[in-house]
Amino acid sequence: NAGVMQNPRHLVRRRGQEARLRCSPMKGHSHVYWYRQLPEEGLKFMVYLQKENIIDESGMPKERFSAEFPKEGPSILRIQQVVRGDSAAYFCASSPGQPSATQYFGPGTRLLVL
Amino acid sequence: KNQVEQSPQSLIILEGKNCTLQCNYTVSPFSNLRWYKQDTGRGPVSLTIMTFSENTKSNGRYTATLDADTKQSSLHITASQLSDSASYICVVSGDSSYKLIFGSGTRLLVRP
Repeated sequence: NAGVMQNPRHLVRRRGQEARLRCSPMKGHSHVYWYRQLPEEGLKFMVYLQKENIIDESGMPKERFSAEFPKEGPSILRIQQVVRGDSAAYFCASSPGQPSATQYFGPGTRLLVL
Repeated sequence: KNQVEQSPQSLIILEGKNCTLQCNYTVSPFSNLRWYKQDTGRGPVSLTIMTFSENTKSNGRYTATLDADTKQSSLHITASQLSDSASYICVVSGDSSYKLIFGSGTRLLVRP
């Protein structure tokens, strides 16, 4: 039973480029959450999605960031026109039906913006 | 403001020794508190979860306590092993049970 998978594990982008981060939840999980971890800080909630729906995006910057969880395929976190401050580790987590259930985390994508 | 603070920031102990990590939170209303272990370069892995009515929860050599009145929790590790070297993160959820609020973690290093 594969866990939460994220790819790529490491991503290097130059300022102004786009970054696409992918997350495949655990089998049978329909709830996906994205978190960002800046250096030396704790993880911060960004967005909560169910299939084809954004439930809560209150932690996501209003500009340049977007997330989706299509009916088929992985969840995507997209960052347009990246800036150096976007350099961080981005973690995806998934849970089964109940949002209060334990969230299982993926290994993260480490984004470095040059 | 909802916050989770942990102490110490880092800790070095010898293999076989016990240690206790602390967590204070100001999250209100309170739903549950979890302790996660995060190895370097990996995602967090859940160790324990407690609701406000639970005082203690064990998972092998890990024992978590919760005092909902003083809003404090601790994680006690018994007979430490080298593989316990990791960051231990206290995580609290409030009225939105899915919106986890993370502490900055305690970095534990177990030396032989």
